[in-house]
Amino acid sequence: QSVLTQPPSASGTPGQRVTVSCSGSNSNIGSNTVNWYQQFPGAAPKLLIYSDDQRPSGVPDRFSGSKSGTSASLAISGLQSEDEADYYCAAWDDSLNGLWVFGGGTKVTVL
Amino acid sequence: EVQLVESGGGLVKPGGSLRLSCAASGFIFGTYSMNWVRQAPGKGLEWVASISSSSSYIYYADSMNGRFTISRDNARNSLYLQANSLRVEDTAVYYCARGGPLRTATRKHSFDPWGQGTLVTVSS
Repeated sequence: QSVLTQPPSASGTPGQRVTVSCSGSNSNIGSNTVNWYQQFPGAAPKLLIYSDDQRPSGVPDRFSGSKSGTSASLAISGLQSEDEADYYCAAWDDSLNGLWVFGGGTKVTVL
Repeated sequence: EVQLVESGGGLVKPGGSLRLSCAASGFIFGTYSMNWVRQAPGKGLEWVASISSSSSYIYYADSMNGRFTISRDNARNSLYLQANSLRVEDTAVYYCARGGPLRTATRKHSFDPWGQGTLVTVSS
């Protein structure tokens, strides 16, 4: 059971907009920034979005992040076949001594 | 180019120990926090531990139950994870990932980049 809650799957056709949600609590998303990671099968994760809505250099602008209260979202506009991957949200949690928490991951499928 | 290369994984019996290493290059290692994250076969990402640039601050996931120890050697540009009393459920790919730079709050860090991972298999 992950601290951050993501839907296990999402899908769309090429060109569509797909969103992935990430639900947390006041101790994590509600008080800290959210990062998103993209992972292809057999590969290491890669940073996709940091500080809620910032894209690292090289990440296409069809990927965007947003946050409201204790929830965050990743949007993929103009979905492409190469976007088929697993996506994870993560945030620092202020509980106890502090810790990083991840969502369970969402598999995005391009139909 | 920033690069992280893990090593030290392998097959170990339940109750055994392993020391994982992560060799860093392409950046000033001693100015960044570092992290270990693991992924069991077919499962999601699970944070294991983090260590600040000077080792002053160390954090562990509660689920590691005091069995894991993170450390670093800035002179050798290396990160380590000592894993003791290993259990079958510790079977996973273990990734090291660079955290945030010096003088930025941990809560604002992100993990970038990640190494390719090293597989730890705990089985009798």
